[in-house]
Amino acid sequence: GESVGLHLPTLSVQEGDNSIINCAYSNSASDYFIWYKQESGKGPQFIIDIRSNMDKRQGQRVTVLLNKTVKHLSLQIAATQPGDSAVYFCAPAGGNNRLAFGKGNQVVVIP
Amino acid sequence: DAGITQSPRYKITETGRQVTLMCHQTWSHSYMFWYRQDLGHGLRLIYYSAAADITDKGEVPDGYVVSRSKTENFPLTLESATRSQTSVYFCASSSPAWGETQYFGPGTRLLVL
Repeated sequence: GESVGLHLPTLSVQEGDNSIINCAYSNSASDYFIWYKQESGKGPQFIIDIRSNMDKRQGQRVTVLLNKTVKHLSLQIAATQPGDSAVYFCAPAGGNNRLAFGKGNQVVVIP
Repeated sequence: DAGITQSPRYKITETGRQVTLMCHQTWSHSYMFWYRQDLGHGLRLIYYSAAADITDKGEVPDGYVVSRSKTENFPLTLESATRSQTSVYFCASSSPAWGETQYFGPGTRLLVL
C-alpha cells in the first residue's frame, strides 16, 4: 500500500518563527497532494493543496513545496502562532478519489 | 450551511452490542468515507462510497457494515462491537467537481467496554 511518512513526529517552534513540516510519499503516480490540519478534538481541516504540475503553492502564511523527483513535499508556516498548534497530515491522492494519510506530525508552538 | 455532521459525538457501549454512527452532508457530494483514527495509526479508511447504493471496502473493513440509500447519508454500523473498535470515527465527503479534497466531520468518539 501507500507509504506516507513524516520525518519529525513532533516539532516544537517558538511563536513568531517559521515552521517546516516534511512528508515523503511512495506512489509516483500521485498527482494531487493535500495538507490537513487537525486541532485537538476536531476533524482534519483542509489547509492547502498542490497538483503535480506545480512545485510551489502559496496560501495565507502557508507554502507547500513539491519535489516529485525525490517524492517529497513540505509545508511551511510563516510566523507561527499559538493557533497553529495541531497535528498536520499530508495526503497524496491515491486514485478513486481516495487519499493516503500519513500518521501526522505534531506541531507545538511555544509562546 | 451545516456541511457535514456526525452523530452521536460521543458513545459508550458494551462488547457485543450493535452501534450505528450517523453521517450527514448537505453538499450533495457523491463520495463519502469513513475513517477511524487511533494513536500510532493515523487515519485508516474503513469504507467508502462513490454514490448512492455503491460502497466499497477500505483498509480496515472487518466488523463494520455501511449502507448508502441516500446521497446525503452514510451510516456506519458495528454489528457486534469489540473493544478493539474503541476509536475516533471520522466521516468525510468529496466531489469530483470540487477536486479530490475530502471534507471532514467533527468525529464520533466511541468507547467499547
